Amino acid sequence: AQSVTQPDIHITVSEGASLELRCNYSYGATPYLFWYVQSPGQGLQLLLKYFSGDTLVQGIKGFEAEFKRSQSSFNLRKPSVHWSDAAEYFCAVGARTNAGKSTFGDGTTLTVKP
Amino acid sequence: DTEVTQTPKHLVMGMTNKKSLKCEQHMGHRAMYWYKQKAKKPPELMFVYSYEKLSINESVPSRFSPECPNSSLLNLHLHALQPEDSALYLCASSQDPPPSSYNEQFFGPGTRLTVL
Repeated sequence: AQSVTQPDIHITVSEGASLELRCNYSYGATPYLFWYVQSPGQGLQLLLKYFSGDTLVQGIKGFEAEFKRSQSSFNLRKPSVHWSDAAEYFCAVGARTNAGKSTFGDGTTLTVKP
Repeated sequence: DTEVTQTPKHLVMGMTNKKSLKCEQHMGHRAMYWYKQKAKKPPELMFVYSYEKLSINESVPSRFSPECPNSSLLNLHLHALQPEDSALYLCASSQDPPPSSYNEQFFGPGTRLTVL
């Protein structure tokens, strides 16, 4: 069965500092990987996705993520965080063998200090 | 139009009430989803509709009844809910239904449901 682990429940960074959110997955084959962001009281917005090809994926809002098969990781990064980035971040894995259903991590709450 | 809309934004209902949540998308997507999300938790899949037919039911209690009247609309009918059903209910859509090809899901803003 596929699974996703986001080791950091809560991260605080200063505005302008760099950010890395960790995501580890468990799946036998090449997974489909996603990062979503959710602002308070809102739905989820897709930041970026990885299906195949280039392992460094660029997304919206200046985010990028790198797929590392050897480490079963798909970490999200941003070089300079803005106060508006404060939100909940979910990593998700989808797979055809699971009827294509996504499995979400428990999320990481990002707080941005002024 | 790349938006999924949901109404109402907020809903308060008693345990004997009947209410419905509505979701709409005009992107021509062929799959639509209902998720339930509790505070500080990830979304939990409830139902998937593929080409207007129910394809996945994640063992959801019968007090939740989905309906897909056409390719753009998805409803969730609620009856005799329990206080523990209070949550954010999210609708999503994707270009193609799983598992033939996996596409990103577009989420609506959700309906905040409170059951008294």
